[in-house]
Amino acid sequence: NAGVTQTPKFQVLKTGQSMTLQCAQDMNHEYMSWYRQDPGMGLRLIHYSVGAGITDQGEVPNGYNVSRSTTEDFPLRLLSAAPSQTSVYFCASRSQGGIGTEAFFGQGTRLTVV
Amino acid sequence: TQLLEQSPQFLSIQEGENLTVYCNSSSVFSSLQWYRQEPGEGPVLLVTVVTGGEVKKLKRLTFQFGDARKDSSLHITAAQPGDTGLYLCAARMDSSYKLIFGSGTRLLVRP
Repeated sequence: NAGVTQTPKFQVLKTGQSMTLQCAQDMNHEYMSWYRQDPGMGLRLIHYSVGAGITDQGEVPNGYNVSRSTTEDFPLRLLSAAPSQTSVYFCASRSQGGIGTEAFFGQGTRLTVV
Repeated sequence: TQLLEQSPQFLSIQEGENLTVYCNSSSVFSSLQWYRQEPGEGPVLLVTVVTGGEVKKLKRLTFQFGDARKDSSLHITAAQPGDTGLYLCAARMDSSYKLIFGSGTRLLVRP
């Protein structure tokens, strides 16, 4: 069972560079989300999607773009990387059924912007 | 400003001690979850509570949802080194698809 797969696991970018963090899930989940985790801040929601073609902003969306062309994939794009985007990024997916469905997480991408 | 406030932020205790972690908000939740995260991994679900006043037990862990569905607690009895990790509460507000996380409580259980 692959679950939620994130690539890459580690990345170093220079300020101003762009890149895409990949996220794929094989559980046919409708909901997918991107979070960033900084020391002492827990997880903060960047963007989320409730289905293919539908995305919306979370708590900290600035500097990030997303799209959802398929149920399986939910890439996160950094348009022009800044040192403030140094963080660990987690992708999560969950099914639509019920109000308390479990969120499944990838192993994270550790991004450093220098 | 964090929508979900967790306390304490950090807890270091001796094996065998009991502890309680709190998750509070001024908003009403449709559901609340507790996750545990280990270094280098994503969070993993421990429990979901949906009814005000609900109590759930998972071995030595007891989870309680406040009557007004604005707060929750996690109590660990006779903590063991294997309980070490980051404990996160997460909640959905009514009619929202978004799952919001608290700031986390980092627990260290010393042998």
